[in-house]
This record gives sequence, C-alpha cells and structure tokens, in this order.
Amino acid sequence: DGGITQSPKYLFRKEGQNVTLSCEQNLNHDAMYWYRQDPGQGLRLIYYSQIVNDFQKGDIAEGYSVSREKKESFPLTVTSAQKNPTAFYLCASHRGFEAFFGQGTRLTVV
Amino acid sequence: QKEVEQNSGPLSVPEGAIASLNCTYSDRVSQSFFWYRQYSGKSPELIMSIYSNGDKEDGRFTAQLNKASQYVSLLIRDSQPSDSATYLCAVYSGNTPLVFGKGTRLSVIA
Repeated sequence: DGGITQSPKYLFRKEGQNVTLSCEQNLNHDAMYWYRQDPGQGLRLIYYSQIVNDFQKGDIAEGYSVSREKKESFPLTVTSAQKNPTAFYLCASHRGFEAFFGQGTRLTVV
Repeated sequence: QKEVEQNSGPLSVPEGAIASLNCTYSDRVSQSFFWYRQYSGKSPELIMSIYSNGDKEDGRFTAQLNKASQYVSLLIRDSQPSDSATYLCAVYSGNTPLVFGKGTRLSVIA
C-alpha cells in the first residue's frame, strides 16, 4: 500500500527540547518537502530535498534541521532555537509538480 | 516574492448550488496550477491540476485557467455538505517549490 507515513500523529515538546518528526514514503518519489501550517494559514515551506544527500532551505528554515540519507526518509528536527513550534507539520513527496501529503504531525509545546 | 492570493472566506453556498473559488498569482511564468482540498484537522489532498488555458472538468469539479489574467478558479457543481472544507490553490513556476495560497474555506449549507 503506497503512501507517505508521518509519525507520531501528536507530539508534545517541553521548552528547550529538540524533537524529531518522522516522514517515510514508499512511492519512489525523488523530491520530499516539509511544510508548517498554523491555524487559518496556508502552507509555509521549511525545507525540501530533491535528491538523496541534498536539501535546501525553504522560507522558514530557522530553528529546524533535516537530513536525507535515504530516498524513502526525510526526518525533520525541531530544535530549541525554534521559539514558536506549536503547529501542524506536513510532509509531502512530489511526482513531477504534484504534491502528495502524509497525514501530518500536530506539535504542541507544553 | 512569488505570491498566490485567495479570498479566505468563508464562502457559504446552499446545497446543490455552484461554488466558485478563485485564485490569483503574481509570477507570469507560472506553468502549473493545482487545487487541494483540506478537511479540518486533515492533510491536503490533490483534487485538480491544470496546465493550459481553458477549462478542465473532472466529475463535479471544473478548473479554469486564464494565464493572461493570472487567474485560476475552481467550480464545484451540485455542492454537497461533504464539500465543506478549505480549498488551497498552489502554483508551480519552474525551478522553485510549489507556492500555496492561504486557502478559501467553503461551507455548504444543507
């Protein structure tokens, strides 16, 4: 069953803590993306990767880090430098110009 | 800065009516245009793509593109309460990631 799997679905972070959001795809897509969505807002691009071992910053990369060691995996780390991390995080892979999304991770700072 | 603009709504239509959602974009060289539907608390799903001027129909959905006016729209015929969602417009301009609008919230009243 092909698709994009994000985990966990819900994540709680304490102040000053780093957390990693998982994104795995078995669609054999080269490009993968991380977006952040705040209530009533559109999608803002955090990082993207078009090939393994290469990635680029998006519009709001500060306070986040990524790696792309395997084609299937593109984890996102929310570091303590991200001062307002509470949001809905979406991972997507691209077939050509079309984006396909995972189910999202809702991160809350406690 | 490439921009995609949408009216945030809410757009309210009665059941069975036609819902018309609009999107304008700033980059004249934009090539590909997409409509995503996002239910509350869920991830976006691709419902329509359009690449050339004119209309493209898929079931109850029609996408319309006018590159001269930098305008793309989505018509939903025979609107149903299950169509109530936020609709995101996305634009691809070549060599840069997709740019998303903030979305229009549609409410179909039974």
